[in-house]
Amino acid sequence: GDSVTQMEGPVTLSEEAFLTINCTYTATGYPSLFWYVQYPGEGLQLLLKATKADDKGSNKGFEATYRKETTSFHLEKGSVQVSDSAVYFCALPNGTSYDKVIFGPGTSLSVIP
Amino acid sequence: SAVISQKPSRDICQRGTSLTIQCQVDSQVTMMFWYRQQPGQSLTLIATANQGSEATYESGFVIDKFPISRPNLTFSTLTVSNMSPEDSSIYLCSVDGQGGYEQYFGPGTRLTVT
Repeated sequence: GDSVTQMEGPVTLSEEAFLTINCTYTATGYPSLFWYVQYPGEGLQLLLKATKADDKGSNKGFEATYRKETTSFHLEKGSVQVSDSAVYFCALPNGTSYDKVIFGPGTSLSVIP
Repeated sequence: SAVISQKPSRDICQRGTSLTIQCQVDSQVTMMFWYRQQPGQSLTLIATANQGSEATYESGFVIDKFPISRPNLTFSTLTVSNMSPEDSSIYLCSVDGQGGYEQYFGPGTRLTVT
């Protein structure tokens, strides 16, 4: 079945460091791919998405490119800030029930000044 | 995107009691979803709620433990019944993105059972 694997955390970075959180997926066909972010004490927010191969989603300085050759959707940011401290979830629609979403395990990011 | 609110935002309950969580959306939506997020974990889908029909529960979740109501297109409730400490989690509702496959989430209800 469809699944998502992402880099285990926690990840700790200094402010202004470069961030990469790896995400790979297994799916039938070419589903839309998502990154969600959960700030401390809050619900999930859609951070960015890509709907087809080679698409690049971007938002708030974060980017991710849909790579069908490597079945990956890695999240990157060139210079992280303390306010980026959160848990990041890679996700895709359930291939057998597109109204449902499959979430990765989440990667906790802490950015220190 | 939809704006979703949940009540209560947090609660501390005694074992054996029940808590009803409300989810309100600012627009009409077809599908609403209820998730559980145990401490430090990812999200687990409890059930999908469509207006006018019974909720569809995922494996491992039953209606007697998590009854759900969906009286209209903007509102749903989830009840956590006969609670035990293992039910301590964040409970999140979400709605579908109207064809885009993404979902929009409420702020969550943080439940602690003592």
